[in-house]
Amino acid sequence: NAGVMQNPRHLVRRRGQEARLRCSPMKGHSHVYWYRQLPEEGLKFMVYLQKENIIDESGMPKERFSAEFPKEGPSILRIQQVVRGDSAAYFCASSTQRGQETQYFGPGTRLLVL
Amino acid sequence: DAKTTQPNSMESNEEEPVHLPCNHSTISGTDYIHWYRQLPSQGPEYVIHGLTSNVNNRMASLAIAEDRKSSTLILHRATLRDAAVYYCILRDGAGGTSGSRLTFGEGTQLTVNP
Repeated sequence: NAGVMQNPRHLVRRRGQEARLRCSPMKGHSHVYWYRQLPEEGLKFMVYLQKENIIDESGMPKERFSAEFPKEGPSILRIQQVVRGDSAAYFCASSTQRGQETQYFGPGTRLLVL
Repeated sequence: DAKTTQPNSMESNEEEPVHLPCNHSTISGTDYIHWYRQLPSQGPEYVIHGLTSNVNNRMASLAIAEDRKSSTLILHRATLRDAAVYYCILRDGAGGTSGSRLTFGEGTQLTVNP
């Protein structure tokens, strides 16, 4: 059973470009979470999605960031018009259910904005 | 979200037990205590969780104080591979969406000496 897959593992963008980060949850998992880890900082929750629904987006920046988890295909975290401050590691996690279920994390996408 | 307090860093020798403390004096009756760890350049990894009773699994043991205001993660025989940042996290088990997200603090950086 493959783990959580994230791609790309590394992404370089220039200021003003768009970044698309993909996350394929573990097989059988319908809950996806995105977290961000800024350099030398801790992990911060961004958004929690179930298939076709955003459940909790309380950690998402109000502008330029969006997330989706369509019925088919991976979850996508999209950052429009990237700025240098968006440079960070973005981790995706998945679980079978909400609540106290274990979250399984992917290896992360390291975004560098030049 | 209830707050946890952990030492910034701890050191251990290989093959010796390690006791990682966590204080959570404002824990509520429905909060579960979860531990995750993050190895260098990897995504976080679930370690163990509990509510009131001590818990054991193949990775570690979790000792929870009787008043639940503190807990200790126990690695019975540390290996070099256990060098990581260990996070103690409270998750609300009352059923709302807040219990689904993980709120990471600063964690404890564990160094294991050969």
